[in-house]
Amino acid sequence: SAVISQKPSRDICQRGTSLTIQCQVDSQVTMMFWYRQQPGQSLTLIATANQGSEATYESGFVIDKFPISRPNLTFSTLTVSNMSPEDSSIYLCSVEEGRVPFAKNIQYFGAGTRLSVL
Amino acid sequence: GNSVTQMEGPVTLSEEAFLTINCTYTATGYPSLFWYVQYPGEGLQLLLKATKADDKGSNKGFEATYRKETTSFHLEKGSVQVSDSAVYFCALSEPGGYNKLIFGAGTRLAVHP
Repeated sequence: SAVISQKPSRDICQRGTSLTIQCQVDSQVTMMFWYRQQPGQSLTLIATANQGSEATYESGFVIDKFPISRPNLTFSTLTVSNMSPEDSSIYLCSVEEGRVPFAKNIQYFGAGTRLSVL
Repeated sequence: GNSVTQMEGPVTLSEEAFLTINCTYTATGYPSLFWYVQYPGEGLQLLLKATKADDKGSNKGFEATYRKETTSFHLEKGSVQVSDSAVYFCALSEPGGYNKLIFGAGTRLAVHP
């Protein structure tokens, strides 16, 4: 299975600042995703990080708040901009193993970034 | 739209008890179905999966069978251990798209000695 490194593992940030979360995978993958898990809640997909083009955002999430980069097939970043306490969550990166058209329809997750906004 | 419904937790069991966590889904087409587990303070780990009707996924003593007629994918284990204490998420992969995962709300399992 793909090995995913996500950092930072946790952070405490001040209101109004921004945090960039990095996700590195040990093999080339076509599909990378960013999820949010609010306290005590399930996971919600923020966006799909597309290599070489703009990310595809889900309803309720916008690029100005959650800009995403995907410079190559093994790396992506998610920025949480102009943070407020409501952004306190766990942010998780996931990848679908393999490359299209041989992707295996299995998603693996990083350990997550635990963000607290004061 | 597509959705996943899980039984509410927490589920509290004694060690060696039988576990069932119910999961039902709503989807157009033929989704793939997954169980993920989240241990305290960690990310999600894939526990098992099934990609078509009547498939049985299994791992670490856990099993789940893809039942299309009842749109269910219930998780079972014959004898739980304290180390199984975690949150369990049922999920489906939307068919025909880019394999976006839709998660259930999660079920917390606590196993006591």
